[in-house]
Amino acid sequence: SQQGEEDPQALSIQEGENATMNCSYKTSINNLQWYRQNSGRGLVHLILIRSNEREKHSGRLRVTLDTSKKSSSLLITASRAADTASYFCATIYNQGGKLIFGQGTELSVKP
Amino acid sequence: DTEVTQTPKHLVMGMTNKKSLKCEQHMGHRAMYWYKQKAKKPPELMFVYSYEKLSINESVPSRFSPECPNSSLLNLHLHALQPEDSALYLCASSQDLWGAAGYTFGSGTRLTVV
Repeated sequence: SQQGEEDPQALSIQEGENATMNCSYKTSINNLQWYRQNSGRGLVHLILIRSNEREKHSGRLRVTLDTSKKSSSLLITASRAADTASYFCATIYNQGGKLIFGQGTELSVKP
Repeated sequence: DTEVTQTPKHLVMGMTNKKSLKCEQHMGHRAMYWYKQKAKKPPELMFVYSYEKLSINESVPSRFSPECPNSSLLNLHLHALQPEDSALYLCASSQDLWGAAGYTFGSGTRLTVV
């Protein structure tokens, strides 16, 4: 399978704490994207990092990419209860249009 | 308009029924996708359309039949489905096949096959 791995599978933290999720993938990529999904609804695109970028920020989100280790991490700072959701990394490998998702991390932020 | 609209939101169908899922976007995106998602699993790619032509079919059974009537619409025709086909079906679109600006997903159709 081309799907990447994410860890942890589940993460439970208190409001105000930081949450870090990791994603590993298998072959060279064009870009890596992170999505959020609230309880069985559609996915929301959070951030995209290109293969020639190492770090990217968007509001409370920080994404890093290490192509030598074939891994990426998503950091959510100062988490809120509304951040409770499943988070997926997704990559496009060598064929345009083939966006493949990792297994996901289920984040629970307790008030 | 920055949305992908999917109808219906819920669908219950028998194994002998024929039904269709619809997806619409007016963002001028030239690539559209169907994904299938089972509970607690990641979305799995089914079909990719680029400029209204089928670009990728991920070996999906023929009981699922996609159709792209124009650049804004994507349909998924369902026939003789099995209970294991029950899932959330997600439609998405992107500016191009490399998703340089990310993919926009609809909120999905929750399908139950009885």
